[in-house]
Amino acid sequence: EIVLTQSPATLSLSPGERATLSCRASQSVSSQLAWYQQKPGQAPRLLIYDASNRATDIPARFSGSGSGTDFTLTISSLEPEDSAVYYCQQRNNWPLTFGQGTKLEIK
Amino acid sequence: QITLKESGPTLVKPTQTLTLTCTFSGFSLSTSGMGVAWIRQPPGKALEWLALIFWDDDKRYSPSLKSRVTITKDTSKNQVVVTVTDMDPVDTATYYCAHRGGSGSFFDYWGQGTLVTVSS
Repeated sequence: EIVLTQSPATLSLSPGERATLSCRASQSVSSQLAWYQQKPGQAPRLLIYDASNRATDIPARFSGSGSGTDFTLTISSLEPEDSAVYYCQQRNNWPLTFGQGTKLEIK
Repeated sequence: QITLKESGPTLVKPTQTLTLTCTFSGFSLSTSGMGVAWIRQPPGKALEWLALIFWDDDKRYSPSLKSRVTITKDTSKNQVVVTVTDMDPVDTATYYCAHRGGSGSFFDYWGQGTLVTVSS
C-alpha cells in the first residue's frame, strides 16, 4: 500500500500570503495524484488532478506540481474562503490511498 | 449535471450489516470508463477509500476491509450499493459515494455524505 504523508499538519497564514502544502508518497505514483479541498460539514472537492491539472471551475490561484514521490499544492494568494483541510490522493496503485490532510487556517 | 446522493440507516448496532445506496444522475454506469466509489471519514479523521465498481462490473476493494465489504450496481436504477458486515463502533463515519470518470479518473463529483453511527 502506498502511504501518502502530508506536511505540515497545520498551516496558519494571512490573506494574500502564499501557501505551500506538501504530499510525499512512499513509492512513485508517477503523476497520478490529486488534491482535494474539504470545508467543515462538506464533501471533498477536487482541486487538482494528474498532479498539475486544475479541475473544472477551480480558481487559477490553485496550482499543483511534482511527480514521482514529491508533490506540492500552492495557493498563490490566500483568500479567507481557502480555510479548509486539504487532502492528496493517489490512483497509481491499488488500493487507492489518501494522505492524512493539512489543515489550512486563515488568520 | 452529475449528482450523487447516499441513503441508508443513520444508526446500526454492533455486529449488524450496513447497507448504503448511492443514487446518481447525469451519467450512466454502463458508459466505458465510468466508476462509482465509496469513501468514508470517521469524525475528525482522514478520508478512507472502501470500494470502487466500474462500468464493466470490475470491482476493487480496500484490503483492510475486503472481507467485510461488497459493492454492486444496478445500472437500470442508476444505483450503487455497498454492504459492510460485522459493524463495529470504529466504523462510525460519514460515508460518501463519488463519481470516477473524467478529470484523470479521480473523484470529481461527490455525494453529500451520510453519517452512520455504530452503537448499541
